[in-house]
Amino acid sequence: QSALTQPPSASGSPGESVTISCTGTSSDVGGYNYVSWYQQHPGKAPKLMIYEVSKRPSGVPNRFSGSKSGNTASLTVSGLQAEDEADYYCNSYAGSDGVWVFGGGTKLTVL
Amino acid sequence: QVQLVQSGAEVKKPGASVKVSCEASGYTFTSYVMHWVRQAPGQRLEWMGWINAGNGNTKYSQRFQGRVTITWDTSASTAYMELSSLRSEDTAVYFCARGHTSTWSPWGQGTLVTVSS
Repeated sequence: QSALTQPPSASGSPGESVTISCTGTSSDVGGYNYVSWYQQHPGKAPKLMIYEVSKRPSGVPNRFSGSKSGNTASLTVSGLQAEDEADYYCNSYAGSDGVWVFGGGTKLTVL
Repeated sequence: QVQLVQSGAEVKKPGASVKVSCEASGYTFTSYVMHWVRQAPGQRLEWMGWINAGNGNTKYSQRFQGRVTITWDTSASTAYMELSSLRSEDTAVYFCARGHTSTWSPWGQGTLVTVSS
């Protein structure tokens, strides 16, 4: 199972919006609505930000939103804040009775 | 509150095995899946496998098939991940995460496993 494809880096100034893509195949991202996004600060455990493509857990600011088109999922962070600077990983169900796959991760820098 | 607490850091020699524990609290342990994920230094997250804490069924990533074993003890609300035939490339932080479909939360604090001769 190959890793999902994410850009290695993304950046934006405070208050701006940035979108991070996550490209897979019809066997993972495109085949299921089980795509999630995780935020990871250095030395910390990942934190769930988006699940089932576009749903936000309680406590996650509504500045974070998710979507999917075909084999590509996207995470948009609006109104960038300094604390949003972190690594972001997408994750998708890949069938075969329970296989999951992560993306390569994107380092988001707030300029 | 829902919490996962993992065992402490380990140093192992090549060829040895390591067993990492993940103790759950604040929820019904048997109602969820427990995933194991690792992250080598400076690298991406990598899914290793899961155990259904309700019935003990497991699923492993092909990449680790044959080397990883995930078990559980419902009386202790604890999941375990054992990785055998360790090599230097297995040096990583290993995380457990409570799973329900694509909702993996919370995560344990991570356990650093260092493989060195």
